[in-house]
Amino acid sequence: GAVVSQHPSRVICKSGTSVKIECRSLDFQATTMFWYRQFPKQSLMLMATSNEGSKATYEQGVEKDKFLINHASLTLSTLTVTSAHPEDSSFYICSATDPSSNQPQHFGDGTRLSIL
Amino acid sequence: AQSVAQPEDQVNVAEGNPLTVKCTYSVSGNPYLFWYVQYPNRGLQFLLKYITGDNLVKGSYGFEAEFNKSQTSFHLKKPSALVSDSALYFCAVLASGYSTLTFGKGTMLLVSP
Repeated sequence: GAVVSQHPSRVICKSGTSVKIECRSLDFQATTMFWYRQFPKQSLMLMATSNEGSKATYEQGVEKDKFLINHASLTLSTLTVTSAHPEDSSFYICSATDPSSNQPQHFGDGTRLSIL
Repeated sequence: AQSVAQPEDQVNVAEGNPLTVKCTYSVSGNPYLFWYVQYPNRGLQFLLKYITGDNLVKGSYGFEAEFNKSQTSFHLKKPSALVSDSALYFCAVLASGYSTLTFGKGTMLLVSP
């Protein structure tokens, strides 16, 4: 079945640094990828929808200059958290759409981001 | 608009007993409904979906869900719970004209030995 790989699974870094998270579709071409943020014991909050070759569509309240999304190919989307601060610490999950699948979205295993 | 409600933050059940995790939805038009499970520090895994047809849908790991249009519900069920079923469960809806899933807030299922 369709597999989405997210890397890294965990990252700890100092405040002020930028962190890049990769989301890859391993065995299918994903025209659309989604980025979510999840706070402890809470639901997934959609941050943005990423379409290959075009600018991402951000949800209301999500700073596009803070959370840079690039979808350069049909199998790779990246989320860069720029100048990260402790309040950016969270669990970030990506998902991808496989048009041939019977599921609407396939999810990566998430990235635990901790900013010190 | 589309929305999903999971009224229970947590459901506790003893191993071997039947379990139910509740979900109600609100959409314009016909809904596509889904259940996902999330284990700690992992992404979401697909359990089952309702698109059309039989109201009782069977999915992975022995789970099933019943679509009830009059009650706008899509409760997740399993006849006999396992300790390994303990996880966070999300109900989601996709309505006609929408391209993204809307998730409920999640229900933590705890199955005790």
